[in-house]
Amino acid sequence: EPEVTQTPSHQVTQMGQEVILRCVPISNHLYFYWYRQILGQKVEFLVSFYNNEISEKSEIFDDQFSVERPDGSNFTLKIRSTKLEDSAMYFCASSEHGELYFGQGTRLTVV
Amino acid sequence: GQQLNQSPQSMFIQEGEDVSMNCTSSSIFNTWLWYKQDPGEGPVLLIALYKAGELTSNGRLTAQFGITRKDSFLNISASIPSDVGIYFCAGQLSGSGGSNYKLTFGKGTLLTVNP
Repeated sequence: EPEVTQTPSHQVTQMGQEVILRCVPISNHLYFYWYRQILGQKVEFLVSFYNNEISEKSEIFDDQFSVERPDGSNFTLKIRSTKLEDSAMYFCASSEHGELYFGQGTRLTVV
Repeated sequence: GQQLNQSPQSMFIQEGEDVSMNCTSSSIFNTWLWYKQDPGEGPVLLIALYKAGELTSNGRLTAQFGITRKDSFLNISASIPSDVGIYFCAGQLSGSGGSNYKLTFGKGTLLTVNP
């Protein structure tokens, strides 16, 4: 069964460093998303991406965040200068239409 | 933004019991979805509901899209130990043909099943 894959599964980084989280969406899907889940809390929307551009972003998705689809298969989230409060699980999701399918997540720990 | 109120926050039940959880919103959604999340993993889609009043089943799971489009419930019948996890409702505003199918999630219901 097709699935969304994310790498790495866990990333530890120092405050102020840049990180890139990678995702391979399901191949025939056209809509891509990043969500974040701080430990013990709900899943929060960060950004949606369609037709090679951002279609919506939340207030969490400030100037330190960016997304890119550098080729036909990858979808990346870059955090330019990480802060302690960026520590969370980051989930990539993709959809053909309304049903979003999520990856296993990347646990980002900022120290 | 939209807020979803999901209840209960947690449930502790005996194996074999039925479970019910629900979500309410102050604004309408076009689609309701229910997800389950196991520890350290991503949300897994259980059921999707597209029409007000719709009642849909997936094995022991049954979910309904409220007539007002502002609420949904999920029932699990004859619970088993592997039902343990966090259940999230999620609402979606966008209709087909849109450029965005963003989901708004509830805070989750933590289900514990005692064998």
